[in-house]
Amino acid sequence: QVRLQESGPGLVKPSQTLSLTCSVSGGSISSGYYYWTWIRQNPGEGLEWIGYIYNSGSAYYNPSLKSRVTISVDTSKNQFSLMLTSVTAADTALYYCARDLAGGYGNMDVWGPGTTVTVSS
Amino acid sequence: QSALTQPPSASGSPGQSVTISCTGTSSDVGGRDFVSWYQQHPGKAPKLVIFDVTRRPSGVPDRFSGSKSGNTASLTVSGLQAEDEADYYCCSYAGINKFVVFGGGTRLTVL
Repeated sequence: QVRLQESGPGLVKPSQTLSLTCSVSGGSISSGYYYWTWIRQNPGEGLEWIGYIYNSGSAYYNPSLKSRVTISVDTSKNQFSLMLTSVTAADTALYYCARDLAGGYGNMDVWGPGTTVTVSS
Repeated sequence: QSALTQPPSASGSPGQSVTISCTGTSSDVGGRDFVSWYQQHPGKAPKLVIFDVTRRPSGVPDRFSGSKSGNTASLTVSGLQAEDEADYYCCSYAGINKFVVFGGGTRLTVL
């Protein structure tokens, strides 16, 4: 059974870069046709899709965040990562990593527990 | 502002059925059969309950069903139980420019 676990700093200063990692256990990140996804949820609000990466390394991003986001994969560590530059208070959120089923059509069947990131000086 | 429109709240008594709507456009909900629904309890990660409009993942009770008509998708929860009280989010594939979009969420209350 595949499990996901987010990790990274819980506090980031404004204008700096947010960096998170999602560790995959119970299966290889390279196997299958999955899209490895980042999603966030602002406090008390809904879900926002940030982007995903296929195991080939091809990444796709939310147009509203595209200029600041990079998602990468490290198959040797069975991990994928999120970088979000020039953060502001609006980026304060609960960040989830998830696995999207074949095709990347928004069918996220496995989720990590989430990690809270606060942007504050 | 979310790409897909959901009612902020819905409610029903135990044993009843409740339907939650999710309205998009012909570029997302209406144009493809890739609508999914997520259940989120407080303090928990979302859980996939419906995908590809009508399909249920293994382990999800058949009390949960999905449908679509035009640009509007719906999630129906039949035989409401107390444990169904949660936030529900719809999600749709929106093509090669927007990729994946969510609704704003609906809080389901079991009276």
